[in-house]
Amino acid sequence: DGGITQSPKYLFRKEGQNVTLSCEQNLNHDAMYWYRQDPGQGLRLIYYSQIVNDFQKGDIAEGYSVSREKKESFPLTVTSAQKNPTAFYLCASSITDRETQYFGPGTRLLVL
Amino acid sequence: KNQVEQSPQSLIILEGKNCTLQCNYTVSPFSNLRWYKQDTGRGPVSLTIMTFSENTKSNGRYTATLDADTKQSSLHITASQLSDSASYICVVSMKTGGGADGLTFGKGTHLIIQP
Repeated sequence: DGGITQSPKYLFRKEGQNVTLSCEQNLNHDAMYWYRQDPGQGLRLIYYSQIVNDFQKGDIAEGYSVSREKKESFPLTVTSAQKNPTAFYLCASSITDRETQYFGPGTRLLVL
Repeated sequence: KNQVEQSPQSLIILEGKNCTLQCNYTVSPFSNLRWYKQDTGRGPVSLTIMTFSENTKSNGRYTATLDADTKQSSLHITASQLSDSASYICVVSMKTGGGADGLTFGKGTHLIIQP
């Protein structure tokens, strides 16, 4: 069953805590992306990776970090430096960075 | 500044009726335009993709049009169904050397189909 998965579906963060959102794909896609979606706003790019062991900052990278040690995996860490982390986080992948992106089901992050 | 404007912001129609969603953009140089459907609490799903030379493309009851001269696109939904209730997002890609920073997302049109 091919696709892109994200976990958990809901995540709660305490003040000052780092949390990591998981994103896995078995589509053999080279490119992977993280977006943030806020109510009434368009998707905003946090980080993207065109190939293993390489990634670039998007428009709103401050307070976030990523790694791309494996082709299938692109985890996103929301650090304590991100002062307004409550949002819906979407991971996507594509064959290359010029092709249509396939999105995961999303993770909703809430701050306690 | 590259921008994608979608209208209306929200729309309510009765089941079985047709509707048209609009997307105007200022992205340049233009590469392609995509329409996505996003169900509440889910990730977006691609409906259509159009390049500069294409002015219409269909996917079932969804038909997208593109006028690259006026930088406008529309998504027409025929014989709407309850399952069409979702947000529809227009995404315009800019010709770049590569990288996801060439994409500009619209804020979406929230469509509600009433029985």
